[in-house]
Amino acid sequence: DTGVSQNPRHKITKRGQNVTFRCDPISEHNRLYWYRQTLGQGPEFLTYFQNEAQLEKSRLLSDRFSAERPKGSFSTLEIQRTEQGDSAMYLCASSFLGGEQFFGPGTRLTVL
Amino acid sequence: SQKIEQNSEALNIQEGKTATLTCNYTNYSPAYLQWYRQDPGRGPVFLLLIRENEKEKRKERLKVTFDTTLKQSLFHITASQPADSATYLCALDEESGGYNKLIFGAGTRLAVHP
Repeated sequence: DTGVSQNPRHKITKRGQNVTFRCDPISEHNRLYWYRQTLGQGPEFLTYFQNEAQLEKSRLLSDRFSAERPKGSFSTLEIQRTEQGDSAMYLCASSFLGGEQFFGPGTRLTVL
Repeated sequence: SQKIEQNSEALNIQEGKTATLTCNYTNYSPAYLQWYRQDPGRGPVFLLLIRENEKEKRKERLKVTFDTTLKQSLFHITASQPADSATYLCALDEESGGYNKLIFGAGTRLAVHP
């Protein structure tokens, strides 16, 4: 399958724990995006990479969130000291230059 | 403030009819607008992109219009089928001509009944 993949698909954690999600984009795509989506809302932009460079972080992204794309291929999103308000679907998307974005299936995070 | 609005109420239509979904925006000047389909528990899937200098775009049973004066896009599905039931999201680029950081509406849920 050459689509965008995300792991894990589901994560349940206790408040205060750290979690890390992984995204593998489509191989020839140089742009990678992270979004967060809560029930009944559209995806909200979190951050964006072009190759390995992180070019923008949303104001929504607190200091507890960090994302990396070390070799310009896969990316990780880490949330430290999780809070119940972090519960959401975390979506990764990739694209080549501009236009259409290809989304992964998402990681659903539940913070107890 | 910047805002994208889609009908929050679900749209229920009979199979075979045309579904029309609306996306309105304020305080943006997007270079293009996109429509995505999202099924429960899945990521959005790209459907159509329309640029600011295009009035209308078609793909099979789908048609999108873009009126930059009214700041509105309409999304039509003709000869609708139960398989078209899903949430439809509109998205635009926050920075005209930029690197396509997308801002999404909340989506409209479409239910097509046999």
